[in-house]
Amino acid sequence: GENVEQHPSTLSVQEGDSAVIKCTYSDSASNYFPWYKQELGKRPQLIIDIRSNVGEKKDQRIAVTLNKTAKHFSLHITETQPEDSAVYFCAATSNAGGTSYGKLTFGQGTILTVHP
Amino acid sequence: EAGVTQFPSHSVIEKGQTVTLRCDPISGHDNLYWYRRVMGKEIKFLLHFVKESKQDESGMPNNRFLAERTGGTYSTLKVQPAELEDSGVYFCASSVMDFGTEQYFGPGTRLTVT
Repeated sequence: GENVEQHPSTLSVQEGDSAVIKCTYSDSASNYFPWYKQELGKRPQLIIDIRSNVGEKKDQRIAVTLNKTAKHFSLHITETQPEDSAVYFCAATSNAGGTSYGKLTFGQGTILTVHP
Repeated sequence: EAGVTQFPSHSVIEKGQTVTLRCDPISGHDNLYWYRRVMGKEIKFLLHFVKESKQDESGMPNNRFLAERTGGTYSTLKVQPAELEDSGVYFCASSVMDFGTEQYFGPGTRLTVT
């Protein structure tokens, strides 16, 4: 089955700096990659996603890049703000066959702290 | 639109007891998922319902876990008998489609087995 590795486990930056979180996946059939943000005491929420037919996607200060050949994808946050502090999870899934269309395989999570 | 709700928010039980967790998905979402996060580790898939049918239960740890989704609406996850390693946060999520769309997560149920 799919395995997703996420690094780093913790990331500390100063307000205004950029933050990058990287994930690698094992199943070359994976073709949908969402990123979830979980603030302290709240539920995970989708912040951005990317499909395998796209190399990069951007939404304001957040961007995701995908390298299918290397089987890795990254989250980039620019001009970080204290409210970006949270746990970030990458995930992967595939609709290539079988019945596991909805099953998300998550990375271990990255605790991002943005210092004012 | 009301989000995914879960009950209870916390549960502390002793080893060997039974606990039932409930999830109410967003109205109209046919797809319902259960996930679990054990302390500090990744969020792990447990199972996926499409309406009232189990589409994928490959993540269920063992036969002490039983999930149901009556009438394709709310879902319950029962753990019987509970073991220490069952402690963690149990998340429910729902989505309109089974692939490529946002899964909306509930707030989770924190289960502690002592």
